[in-house]
Amino acid sequence: DTAVSQTPKYLVTQMGNDKSIKCEQNLGHDTMYWYKQDSKKFLKIMFSYNNKELIINETVPNRFSPKSPDKAHLNLHINSLELGDSAVYFCASSQRWASGNTGELFFGEGSRLTVL
Amino acid sequence: KQEVTQIPAALSVPEGENLVLNCSFTDSAIYNLQWFRQDPGKGLTSLLLIQSSQREQTSGRLNASLDKSSGRSTLYIAASQPGDSATYLCAVKFGNEKLTFGTGTRLTIIP
Repeated sequence: DTAVSQTPKYLVTQMGNDKSIKCEQNLGHDTMYWYKQDSKKFLKIMFSYNNKELIINETVPNRFSPKSPDKAHLNLHINSLELGDSAVYFCASSQRWASGNTGELFFGEGSRLTVL
Repeated sequence: KQEVTQIPAALSVPEGENLVLNCSFTDSAIYNLQWFRQDPGKGLTSLLLIQSSQREQTSGRLNASLDKSSGRSTLYIAASQPGDSATYLCAVKFGNEKLTFGTGTRLTIIP
């Protein structure tokens, strides 16, 4: 199936631990994103990579470190997890044009992180 | 500040009725606007993408319009069905390349 897939879907961990979420897309897109959806369901962008290059880096604690080994993968590593990191993290992808505009955005199913 | 607003936060409509969801944004310099639906516990499904040069897009029973000058977009759903119940999100790609989401409208279609 052509899609954006992310793993794990659920992640429960203790405060202070380090965890990673992986994302892969087989849509042939060159731009990938991480979004965070909080308890009030508000979606906010965290990072965006275009062809493995970081192009958007919102005000996110540096405990969050994205890594893009190639344009089809964008992983998110979180160090020293805190209670406030509990949320659903969504990966997405799109195709970016030379003008800076992008095509349709496709989302993964989300990874629900619970920090105890 | 670039913001996207969706009002109302929740809407209940009897099955079969036509309805309109609203989205407003603060900066007319946009690249595009996209409508999504999100079912509980699920990811976002893209419904329609309108580029800044377009005024509307249609897909089946859905029609989305864009009026940049007034900073508004509407999503029209014809002949609503219980399966249309979901949260509908509007997202605007502003000129700084950031895609900003509204807070969504939770739609319930009453059988």
